[in-house]
Amino acid sequence: EVQLLESGGGLVQPGGSLRLSCAASGLTSDTFATSWVRQAPGKGLEWVSAISGGGDYTYYADSVKGRFTISRDKSKNTLYLQMNSLRVDDTAVYYCAKDRRQQVVHFQGFFWGQGTVVTVSS
Amino acid sequence: SYVLTQPPSVSVAPGKTAKITCGGNNIGGKGVHWYQQKPGQAPVLVIFFDTERPSEIPERFSGANSGNTATLTINRVEAGDEADYYCQVWDSYSDHVVFGGGTQLTVL
Repeated sequence: EVQLLESGGGLVQPGGSLRLSCAASGLTSDTFATSWVRQAPGKGLEWVSAISGGGDYTYYADSVKGRFTISRDKSKNTLYLQMNSLRVDDTAVYYCAKDRRQQVVHFQGFFWGQGTVVTVSS
Repeated sequence: SYVLTQPPSVSVAPGKTAKITCGGNNIGGKGVHWYQQKPGQAPVLVIFFDTERPSEIPERFSGANSGNTATLTINRVEAGDEADYYCQVWDSYSDHVVFGGGTQLTVL
């Protein structure tokens, strides 16, 4: 059974940085496309970023491009989201979601973590 | 950017059929995926590529996609189906994953 565990959330001031992690278990080798999806309090799902199974293709929502960086460490089956220049409207629960395929195109979130809370406030 | 439009809410009596729509320009030419999210929980994929159903999802859930509208249908609705439902596509023009605004399903 594939399980995803996010960590790294917390309270940060505007302009600050955080690095989220998503550790995958139940996989012999994590070669699947993965996305970060966030949900602001009381709001809907918003896609943030995605990375291909090989780590060679990355994609970003316009709202985070240039501030967030997605990466993966295949040796650790772990995905990261480096978030810089955080803004109040980045406040949300951040989920990682994994496809069953390598490519991000036509991404489908088959597996989801329980999320980590990011609060940006002064 | 590509926009997906869902009704904010749908209500249905137990045992009846619920239909949740997702509108988008020529959405019939894209693969649509649907998620169910219950309060305080992570989303769960219920339909992928328009009509495919993960093995753990009941057959009561089905999908269709044509023209400018995709539809999630839930037959014989149960109280446990009460949740928010989101449609999602891949927009190849912008290389973005796009979610609809979500529909709150209420079981009367």
